[in-house]
Amino acid sequence: SAVISQKPSRDICQRGTSLTIQCQVDSQVTMMFWYRQQPGQSLTLIATANQGSEATYESGFVIDKFPISRPNLTFSTLTVSNMSPEDSSIYLCSVGVDGTGELFFGEGSRLTVL
Amino acid sequence: KQEVTQIPAALSVPEGENLVLNCSFTDSAIYNLQWFRQDPGKGLTSLLLIQSSQREQTSGRLNASLDKSSGRSTLYIAASQPGDSATYLCAVQTGANNLFFGTGTRLTVIP
Repeated sequence: SAVISQKPSRDICQRGTSLTIQCQVDSQVTMMFWYRQQPGQSLTLIATANQGSEATYESGFVIDKFPISRPNLTFSTLTVSNMSPEDSSIYLCSVGVDGTGELFFGEGSRLTVL
Repeated sequence: KQEVTQIPAALSVPEGENLVLNCSFTDSAIYNLQWFRQDPGKGLTSLLLIQSSQREQTSGRLNASLDKSSGRSTLYIAASQPGDSATYLCAVQTGANNLFFGTGTRLTVIP
């Protein structure tokens, strides 16, 4: 398994500002992902965070809005840029444990945009 | 595109009952299926992972089955407890980066 720490756990932000969420894993992992869970909805994959290269974004998500960094195999950040109330969601970091396909999730970062 | 459906959307049971949560998916070409638990406002906790070649997995009071050909999985919870109250999500993986989630079943176990 993997232990995943996310910061912040929650925040209230003003419209038009940006917030960076950090994800720290207790072991080196190849696969790291960022998900969004809008209120009352299930999870949607935003992007795959690639170490040493640009993230791979899913349809409907763009780098300008959700820039991602992955400087090493244990850490990643997701920035939510120029926030609007529609960005109010839980953002979750997830890692894949090599060889099993099992995914583990952080506790999530609950963002409320006013 | 893979679609994952969970029925029922919500379920209330008295403590001690055995219960079954259902998950169905439209494309049987999956790598694995994973059941998660999510407490309100929290992240996901992995409960069970079933590889596509497996029929079931067990952990404590939980048993998950997989019938890939019919596109179905069930999560059986024995002797339910109030602490089991949470939303249960199933997710199917069709590729390295393709994990499709259901919308979940919200379980309430009444003391």
